[in-house]
Amino acid sequence: DTAVSQTPKYLVTQMGNDKSIKCEQNLGHDTMYWYKQDSKKFLKIMFSYNNKELIINETVPNRFSPKSPDKAHLNLHINSLELGDSAVYFCASSQDWQGNNSPLHFGNGTRLTVT
Amino acid sequence: QQPVQSPQAVILREGEDAVINCSSSKALYSVHWYRQKHGEAPVFLMILLKGGEQKGHDKISASFNEKKQQSSLYLTASQLSYSGTYFCLKNTGGFKTIFGAGTRLFVKA
Repeated sequence: DTAVSQTPKYLVTQMGNDKSIKCEQNLGHDTMYWYKQDSKKFLKIMFSYNNKELIINETVPNRFSPKSPDKAHLNLHINSLELGDSAVYFCASSQDWQGNNSPLHFGNGTRLTVT
Repeated sequence: QQPVQSPQAVILREGEDAVINCSSSKALYSVHWYRQKHGEAPVFLMILLKGGEQKGHDKISASFNEKKQQSSLYLTASQLSYSGTYFCLKNTGGFKTIFGAGTRLFVKA
Protein backbone atom coordinates (compact mmCIF):
# COMPACT_ATOMS: atom_id res chain seq x y z
CA ASP A 1 0.00 0.00 0.00
CA THR A 2 1.35 3.40 -0.99
CA ALA A 3 1.69 5.66 2.05
CA VAL A 4 1.76 9.04 0.30
CA SER A 5 0.54 9.07 -3.27
CA GLN A 6 0.41 12.00 -5.63
CA THR A 7 -0.91 12.35 -9.15
CA PRO A 8 0.02 12.92 -11.84
CA LYS A 9 3.64 11.76 -11.92
CA TYR A 10 4.40 13.91 -14.97
CA LEU A 11 2.70 17.07 -16.11
CA VAL A 12 3.65 18.89 -19.29
CA THR A 13 1.70 22.01 -20.08
CA GLN A 14 1.94 25.37 -21.76
CA MET A 15 2.45 28.77 -20.21
CA GLY A 16 -0.76 30.38 -19.03
CA ASN A 17 -2.60 27.14 -18.33
CA ASP A 18 -4.07 26.11 -14.99
CA LYS A 19 -3.23 22.72 -13.49
CA SER A 20 -3.76 20.73 -10.30
CA ILE A 21 -1.75 18.12 -8.45
CA LYS A 22 -3.44 15.79 -5.99
CA CYS A 23 -2.02 14.14 -2.89
CA GLU A 24 -3.38 11.56 -0.50
CA GLN A 25 -1.86 9.87 2.53
CA ASN A 26 -3.11 6.73 4.26
CA LEU A 27 -0.79 6.94 7.27
CA GLY A 28 -3.26 8.72 9.52
CA HIS A 29 -0.91 11.69 9.81
CA ASP A 30 -2.09 15.08 10.98
CA THR A 31 0.19 17.27 8.88
CA MET A 32 0.71 17.52 5.15
CA TYR A 33 3.08 19.64 3.07
CA TRP A 34 3.97 20.76 -0.41
CA TYR A 35 7.64 21.11 -1.29
CA LYS A 36 9.18 22.39 -4.50
CA GLN A 37 12.48 20.96 -5.69
CA ASP A 38 14.23 23.02 -8.33
CA SER A 39 16.85 22.00 -10.86
CA LYS A 40 19.59 22.50 -8.26
CA LYS A 41 17.86 19.98 -5.99
CA PHE A 42 16.99 22.54 -3.33
CA LEU A 43 13.90 21.45 -1.36
CA LYS A 44 11.81 24.45 -0.41
CA ILE A 45 8.66 24.25 1.67
CA MET A 46 5.65 25.95 0.11
CA PHE A 47 2.69 25.13 2.33
CA SER A 48 1.81 23.07 5.35
CA TYR A 49 -1.56 22.03 6.71
CA ASN A 50 -2.24 20.59 10.13
CA ASN A 51 -5.64 18.95 10.49
CA LYS A 52 -6.92 20.87 7.45
CA GLU A 53 -5.70 24.19 8.81
CA LEU A 54 -3.04 26.17 6.93
CA ILE A 55 -0.07 26.69 9.24
CA ILE A 56 2.70 27.56 6.84
CA ASN A 57 2.43 29.69 3.77
CA GLU A 58 5.89 30.59 2.54
CA THR A 59 6.61 33.31 0.04
CA VAL A 60 4.81 31.68 -2.83
CA PRO A 61 3.02 33.53 -5.66
CA ASN A 62 -0.75 33.84 -5.27
CA ARG A 63 -1.09 31.70 -8.38
CA PHE A 64 -0.45 28.71 -6.12
CA SER A 65 -3.39 27.70 -3.96
CA PRO A 66 -3.47 24.65 -1.71
CA LYS A 67 -6.68 22.99 -0.62
CA SER A 68 -7.15 20.38 2.07
CA PRO A 69 -10.65 18.87 2.00
CA ASP A 70 -9.73 16.55 4.89
CA LYS A 71 -6.57 15.67 6.76
CA ALA A 72 -5.74 12.82 4.37
CA HIS A 73 -5.76 15.00 1.25
CA LEU A 74 -3.84 18.06 0.16
CA ASN A 75 -4.15 19.34 -3.38
CA LEU A 76 -2.21 22.07 -5.14
CA HIS A 77 -3.75 24.23 -7.83
CA ILE A 78 -1.59 26.46 -9.99
CA ASN A 79 -3.03 29.25 -12.12
CA SER A 80 -1.43 30.95 -15.11
CA LEU A 81 1.60 28.68 -15.21
CA GLU A 82 4.98 30.26 -15.94
CA LEU A 83 8.25 28.80 -17.21
CA GLY A 84 9.80 29.26 -13.75
CA ASP A 85 7.21 26.93 -12.24
CA SER A 86 8.93 23.98 -13.88
CA ALA A 87 10.19 21.78 -11.05
CA VAL A 88 9.42 18.62 -9.14
CA TYR A 89 6.67 19.09 -6.57
CA PHE A 90 6.65 16.75 -3.59
CA CYS A 91 3.80 16.14 -1.23
CA ALA A 92 4.76 14.93 2.25
CA SER A 93 3.12 14.08 5.53
CA SER A 94 4.17 13.69 9.14
CA GLN A 95 2.50 12.43 12.30
CA ASP A 96 2.73 15.83 13.88
CA TRP A 97 4.15 19.15 12.85
CA GLN A 98 7.78 18.55 11.86
CA GLY A 99 8.95 21.06 14.41
CA ASN A 100 7.89 18.46 16.94
CA ASN A 101 10.35 16.08 15.34
CA SER A 102 8.14 13.82 13.31
CA PRO A 103 9.81 12.35 10.23
CA LEU A 104 8.58 13.45 6.82
CA HIS A 105 7.12 10.83 4.47
CA PHE A 106 7.31 11.95 0.86
CA GLY A 107 5.21 11.09 -2.15
CA ASN A 108 6.98 10.14 -5.40
CA GLY A 109 6.81 13.64 -6.80
CA THR A 110 5.19 15.34 -9.77
CA ARG A 111 7.55 16.59 -12.44
CA LEU A 112 5.99 19.72 -13.90
CA THR A 113 7.32 21.04 -17.19
CA VAL A 114 5.99 24.33 -18.50
CA THR A 115 6.71 25.07 -22.16
CA GLN B 1 18.54 30.58 7.11
CA GLN B 2 19.54 27.47 5.23
CA PRO B 3 21.92 25.11 7.07
CA VAL B 4 25.28 24.72 5.40
CA GLN B 5 26.20 21.25 4.22
CA SER B 6 29.72 20.15 3.40
CA PRO B 7 31.11 18.81 1.23
CA GLN B 8 28.85 19.66 -1.70
CA ALA B 9 29.80 16.43 -3.41
CA VAL B 10 31.95 13.39 -2.74
CA ILE B 11 33.04 10.39 -4.78
CA LEU B 12 33.92 7.18 -2.99
CA ARG B 13 35.00 3.69 -3.88
CA GLU B 14 33.02 0.86 -2.34
CA GLY B 15 34.20 0.20 1.18
CA GLU B 16 35.44 3.73 1.85
CA ASP B 17 34.06 5.99 4.58
CA ALA B 18 32.60 9.47 4.34
CA VAL B 19 31.43 12.24 6.64
CA ILE B 20 28.83 14.82 5.74
CA ASN B 21 28.44 17.89 7.91
CA CYS B 22 25.47 20.16 8.52
CA SER B 23 25.95 23.41 10.39
CA SER B 24 23.72 26.27 11.39
CA SER B 25 24.29 29.88 12.36
CA LYS B 26 21.36 29.63 14.78
CA ALA B 27 20.73 27.24 17.66
CA LEU B 28 19.59 23.82 16.57
CA TYR B 29 16.78 22.06 18.39
CA SER B 30 16.99 18.95 16.28
CA VAL B 31 18.28 17.69 12.97
CA HIS B 32 16.77 15.24 10.49
CA TRP B 33 18.74 13.41 7.81
CA TYR B 34 17.26 12.25 4.48
CA ARG B 35 18.63 10.48 1.41
CA GLN B 36 17.30 11.00 -2.08
CA LYS B 37 18.26 8.65 -4.88
CA HIS B 38 18.18 9.89 -8.44
CA GLY B 39 14.63 10.26 -9.70
CA GLU B 40 13.11 9.24 -6.37
CA ALA B 41 11.63 10.91 -3.32
CA PRO B 42 13.69 11.80 -0.25
CA VAL B 43 13.65 9.04 2.36
CA PHE B 44 13.98 9.63 6.09
CA LEU B 45 17.12 8.22 7.73
CA MET B 46 17.12 9.50 11.30
CA ILE B 47 16.40 12.35 13.70
CA LEU B 48 18.74 13.63 16.36
CA LEU B 49 16.90 15.38 19.14
CA LYS B 50 19.45 16.58 21.61
CA GLY B 51 23.02 17.54 21.96
CA GLY B 52 25.45 14.68 22.15
CA GLU B 53 22.97 12.23 20.72
CA GLN B 54 24.28 9.65 18.33
CA LYS B 55 22.27 7.22 16.26
CA GLY B 56 22.97 4.41 13.87
CA HIS B 57 21.13 2.85 10.98
CA ASP B 58 22.96 -0.11 9.45
CA LYS B 59 26.40 1.40 8.68
CA ILE B 60 25.11 4.95 8.64
CA SER B 61 25.26 6.90 11.88
CA ALA B 62 25.00 10.50 12.95
CA SER B 63 25.92 12.79 15.79
CA PHE B 64 24.56 16.11 17.00
CA ASN B 65 26.75 18.72 18.65
CA GLU B 66 24.38 21.28 20.09
CA LYS B 67 27.13 23.67 21.20
CA LYS B 68 28.78 23.74 17.80
CA GLN B 69 25.34 23.92 16.18
CA GLN B 70 26.16 21.11 13.83
CA SER B 71 25.37 17.54 12.97
CA SER B 72 27.49 15.01 11.12
CA LEU B 73 26.43 11.95 9.14
CA TYR B 74 28.92 9.06 9.00
CA LEU B 75 28.83 6.49 6.23
CA THR B 76 31.02 3.49 6.98
CA ALA B 77 32.21 0.93 4.45
CA SER B 78 30.08 2.54 1.76
CA GLN B 79 28.05 0.41 -0.61
CA LEU B 80 26.84 1.18 -4.13
CA SER B 81 23.36 1.61 -2.69
CA TYR B 82 24.53 4.59 -0.64
CA SER B 83 24.77 6.76 -3.74
CA GLY B 84 22.38 9.68 -3.72
CA THR B 85 21.93 13.15 -2.32
CA TYR B 86 21.91 13.55 1.45
CA PHE B 87 19.96 16.37 3.02
CA CYS B 88 19.87 17.63 6.56
CA LEU B 89 16.76 19.39 7.83
CA LYS B 90 17.22 21.74 10.71
CA ASN B 91 14.66 22.73 13.30
CA THR B 92 15.41 25.98 15.06
CA GLY B 93 12.23 26.04 17.07
CA GLY B 94 8.63 27.02 16.45
CA PHE B 95 7.44 26.24 12.96
CA LYS B 96 10.76 26.94 11.32
CA THR B 97 12.43 24.05 9.56
CA ILE B 98 14.61 24.25 6.48
CA PHE B 99 16.57 21.81 4.33
CA GLY B 100 20.26 22.14 3.53
CA ALA B 101 21.33 22.32 -0.10
CA GLY B 102 22.32 18.65 -0.11
CA THR B 103 25.52 16.63 -0.48
CA ARG B 104 25.81 14.47 -3.58
CA LEU B 105 27.45 11.14 -2.83
CA PHE B 106 28.59 8.80 -5.57
CA VAL B 107 29.92 5.37 -4.73
CA LYS B 108 31.71 3.49 -7.47
CA ALA B 109 32.74 -0.15 -7.67
